[in-house]
Amino acid sequence: TQLLKQSPQFLSIQEGENLTVYCNSSSVFSSLQWYRQEPGEGPVLLVTVVTGGEVKKLKRLTFQFGDARKDSSLHITAAQPGDTGLYLCAGPTSGTYKYIFGTGTRLKVLA
Amino acid sequence: DSGVTQTPKHLITATGQRVTLRCSPRSGDLSVYWYQQSLDQGLQFLIQYYNGEERAKGNILERFSAQQFPDLHSELNLSSLELGDSALYFCASSPQGANKGTEAFFGQGTRLTVV
Repeated sequence: TQLLKQSPQFLSIQEGENLTVYCNSSSVFSSLQWYRQEPGEGPVLLVTVVTGGEVKKLKRLTFQFGDARKDSSLHITAAQPGDTGLYLCAGPTSGTYKYIFGTGTRLKVLA
Repeated sequence: DSGVTQTPKHLITATGQRVTLRCSPRSGDLSVYWYQQSLDQGLQFLIQYYNGEERAKGNILERFSAQQFPDLHSELNLSSLELGDSALYFCASSPQGANKGTEAFFGQGTRLTVV
């Protein structure tokens, strides 16, 4: 069974700090997506990474796909209170049509 | 606005009852996914349909069923409801099935409370 495990589970930091969230699997994924979810809302897509070693930037957010396509990371530079939310990685499982989500990282940025 | 519409937004019902949640995917999307999210939990994959056919099943209880209609909207039926079924239920859609580069777009969810 393909699983996506995220770490840390919770993160509380001060405004202006940097942070990294990890998404790990023992299985290879053809692509991984990152979403952000706010309370009571549906997840919103941030980015898709497809190629091993790929790095994508979205303003202060940097996403990286591992060379072996088994892991990904999300780095936020100079976090702001507006970055607060639940960050989820997700991906299509190989050999099936399931689209699974990671365990999630709940980020709180304090002003 | 993701373009995915879920109704109702809130639902309160008693144990043992049956409810139907509805999802209209984005225009042109053929795949619909259903997820359950309990309090402070991640999203648990329930089931996926592609162009009217069931494509994948996750940890969906036998008391739950779903279908996708010819107009591509989908319904999730939950029966013999238990207190533990209280959760947010999300529907997502994508242009194709789960494959390389799949990106899913989510509705606002239906908050189900079983009392």
